[in-house]
Amino acid sequence: QKEVEQNSGPLSVPEGAIASLNCTYSDRGSQSFFWYRQYSGKSPELIMSIYSNGDKEDGRFTAQLNKASQYVSLLIRDSQPSDSATYLCAVNGGSSSASKIIFGSGTRLSIRP
Amino acid sequence: EAGVTQFPSHSVIEKGQTVTLRCDPISGHDNLYWYRRVMGKEIKFLLHFVKESKQDESGMPNNRFLAERTGGTYSTLKVQPAELEDSGVYFCASSQGTGSREQYFGPGTRLTVT
Repeated sequence: QKEVEQNSGPLSVPEGAIASLNCTYSDRGSQSFFWYRQYSGKSPELIMSIYSNGDKEDGRFTAQLNKASQYVSLLIRDSQPSDSATYLCAVNGGSSSASKIIFGSGTRLSIRP
Repeated sequence: EAGVTQFPSHSVIEKGQTVTLRCDPISGHDNLYWYRRVMGKEIKFLLHFVKESKQDESGMPNNRFLAERTGGTYSTLKVQPAELEDSGVYFCASSQGTGSREQYFGPGTRLTVT
C-alpha cells in the first residue's frame, strides 16, 4: 500500500465547473497536509495547506480534511484552463519523521474549454 | 523576495563521473530539504538540514550521495560516482523557522546519467 494514494487521472472537467481531487494516506500520525500544483517541467507550487479537520477555503480553492477517514481533498471552483496541471497531494512524515513530506503520484487535471 | 534557486538546471554526465548540485534557499529559511523524482515515480525525500546540521537523512539512497550545508546557507548535493539509476529531477525546498511545515520548492535540477 502506498503511503499517499491519488487517482492518476487524467481528470477532465469543463471550464467553469468544479474539479474535485481526492487523496488518502496511510499514516495516522500525520499532522500536516498539502496540495501542490505542478505544471509540466516546472517545480511543485504550494497552493493549499491544512492541519485540522474540516474545510479551508482560499479563493477558488477549498481543501477538506477528514483524519478519521485519512482522506484529503481539493475542490477547485470555476475551473479555468490555467488550472490544467498535475496536482500533488502531500503529507508530512508523521510517525516516521515530522519533517519530510511524502508525496502522492499526482492527479493530472485537464480543463476543457 | 527571491524563491529557492538551484544550479544547474540541467546536467548530463557519464556513468562514473561526479556531479555537484547547488541549492540556495529562501533568505532566512533555516530548514532546507532535498528531494528527487526518478522517472515514473513519486517525489521522494532525501534529507533535511536545520541550519548546518543534518536533521534527517533517512532518504539518502546510499553513500554515493553526500549533502553539505556549510555555514547554514546554501547546500550542495554531490553524487560520486554517478550511476544510471541516479537520473531524475532533484528538487530543493526550504521552510521557515522551528516546526515550520510549509515547504517551498525550487525549480529542480534535471540530472541525466548516460
